[in-house]
Amino acid sequence: KAGVTQTPRYLIKTRGQQVTLSCSPISGHRSVSWYQQTPGQGLQFLFEYFSETQRNKGNFPGRFSGRQFSNSRSEMNVSTLELGDSALYLCASSLVAGDDEQFFGPGTRLTVL
Amino acid sequence: QQPVQSPQAVILREGEDAVINCSSSKALYSVHWYRQKHGEAPVFLMILLKGGEQKGHEKISASFNEKKQQSSLYLTASQLSYSGTYFCGTKDSGGGADGLTFGKGTHLIIQP
Repeated sequence: KAGVTQTPRYLIKTRGQQVTLSCSPISGHRSVSWYQQTPGQGLQFLFEYFSETQRNKGNFPGRFSGRQFSNSRSEMNVSTLELGDSALYLCASSLVAGDDEQFFGPGTRLTVL
Repeated sequence: QQPVQSPQAVILREGEDAVINCSSSKALYSVHWYRQKHGEAPVFLMILLKGGEQKGHEKISASFNEKKQQSSLYLTASQLSYSGTYFCGTKDSGGGADGLTFGKGTHLIIQP
């Protein structure tokens, strides 16, 4: 069974630009969560989607948004990029929402110059 | 609020035991444990739920003290493959409706 895939793996953007990251969950998984990982703040929850609905959202500004499609694939978008948005963005999928084992993808490394 | 993990780092010899702790100032509904090796994605270890239910891999042992809002991960007879950063993630009471709040991690180094 294929694992969680994320594209692109690496991305370099400049301040003010916007970016879209993509995540394909494990086949059959309907829940997708997004996390931001930085050396200073660690792993921080961004949002969780289940059956195309945002189930909950972390404490991030409105520049961070996401969506989930009917095939469970998910995208997250960051608008008006800031230097502090440089991070590893991890996507994780699980069979169901809530307290279930999450399978993480390899992440997208975003660098904002 | 972010859970506090202790110790921040630990170095062991292969075969030794370790305990990693995770504490919260808020009542907890569930505690999730993950391990991340350098340059890799986090890997699931265990979930402990209020009421005693556990989901996880058989070789992993953990406890959840609901009264103290604490969880501990027990690594016995450590192997080189246990090296990595261990994260606990918590959900507050009321469960399911919030995302995981992760601690800053415990760095574990196993030496031969």
